[in-house]
Amino acid sequence: TQLLEQSPQFLSIQEGENLTVYCNSSSVFSSLQWYRQEPGEGPVLLVTVVTGGEVKKLKRLTFQFGDARKDSSLHITAAQPGDTGLYLCAGGKDGSNYKLTFGKGTLLTVNP
Amino acid sequence: NAGVMQNPRHLVRRRGQEARLRCSPMKGHSHVYWYRQLPEEGLKFMVYLQKENIIDESGMPKERFSAEFPKEGPSILRIQQVVRGDSAAYFCASSPFDRGEINYGYTFGSGTRLTVV
Repeated sequence: TQLLEQSPQFLSIQEGENLTVYCNSSSVFSSLQWYRQEPGEGPVLLVTVVTGGEVKKLKRLTFQFGDARKDSSLHITAAQPGDTGLYLCAGGKDGSNYKLTFGKGTLLTVNP
Repeated sequence: NAGVMQNPRHLVRRRGQEARLRCSPMKGHSHVYWYRQLPEEGLKFMVYLQKENIIDESGMPKERFSAEFPKEGPSILRIQQVVRGDSAAYFCASSPFDRGEINYGYTFGSGTRLTVV
């Protein structure tokens, strides 16, 4: 059972475009994290959200945690080729929040 | 990924051999986690360790796999009698957060890519 569904699975866009990727679940998470992973490397933490309805901005990236803490979105404004990578969401649950459940990721390609 | 050191980066083993994967956590982090990433699958939790203690090994296969985090030295993930299905990327992560605290995220290493031939 895939507890965290990410969509779309693949996304190819032109430089300068905006995009949103989604992370959905039927389960409630105490915290949700977004990572970016490049080929041959480990995931790099982008942000953690813990409060329902929370919005965090990191330069051109905007992260939102759903009110019910079951879903999240990542919006990128004016995408650049350097944003290319695999975007992973991961959730931790109350009582075992160290045991992250990862989605399969959205593979983003930004073409110059 | 500076800070969490994994070695080797690539490891090739023949079926039936042993694989030893090493991980040194980020300075100041006393919690270590191992995850496995298979092709077409997401990262899967394997085990959570603190110094000299296994806290949760619910994601580890019951046979052939073991992990340790000794008082001195790196954490070791050991796979005995490897089979082709063990081929995957194995990632170690560390954090300063205790299991009772909110998980604000891990620092991952660059991984060890194990290929069983």
